[in-house]
Amino acid sequence: ETGVTQSPTHLIKTRGQQVTLRCSSQSGHNTVSWYQQALGQGPQFIFQYYREEENGRGNFPPRFSGLQFPNYSSELNVNALELDDSALYLCASSSSRVRSTDTQYFGPGTRLTVL
Amino acid sequence: AQRVTQPEKLLSVFKGAPVELKCNYSYSGSPELFWYVQYSRQRLQLLLRHISRESIKGFTADLNKGETSFHLKKPFAQEEDSAMYYCALSGNTGTASKLTFGTGTRLQVTL
Repeated sequence: ETGVTQSPTHLIKTRGQQVTLRCSSQSGHNTVSWYQQALGQGPQFIFQYYREEENGRGNFPPRFSGLQFPNYSSELNVNALELDDSALYLCASSSSRVRSTDTQYFGPGTRLTVL
Repeated sequence: AQRVTQPEKLLSVFKGAPVELKCNYSYSGSPELFWYVQYSRQRLQLLLRHISRESIKGFTADLNKGETSFHLKKPFAQEEDSAMYYCALSGNTGTASKLTFGTGTRLQVTL
């Protein structure tokens, strides 16, 4: 069984730039969720993708967008980066989009620093 | 709205002492609650969930709907329990199942 992988591990950008983060789901999982974890905080839900469509969104502005591909891998795109976007970005995959009892399996995260 | 509160940022206990990590939640529906753990240099991973009513690594957690709590307990702490612990609530936003996390409690077990 292959776990969730994310790339890159670390990334440094400047304000106003755009960034793309990548995630490969665990084998057999069709649902991907993205979370932002600021320093000293718990992860916050950004959005979820199921079968290539956005399936739900947290309280994040439209400059946070995503994609899911037919192989269920996913991208998180952030436009017009702000200093407050500096955080650890986590991807989690699961086998169900709506069953709240299903376990979400997390990747190691991408550490984004915005200067 | 759903919210999870973990009142302690740090809990320091001696090896062999009992551990209780507190978690309170706010949710209008029927909650699904989880404890996730992050060991040093490792990814976030599920420790246990209330629906399974299981004990993992000696940890248990009971859902108390009256007190809206889901505290994590272990009778005898071990050094290897030192980690960051997050309580999480699973609820639906539209058609998506999302996790709402608390701010986490760092457990430090000392000799």
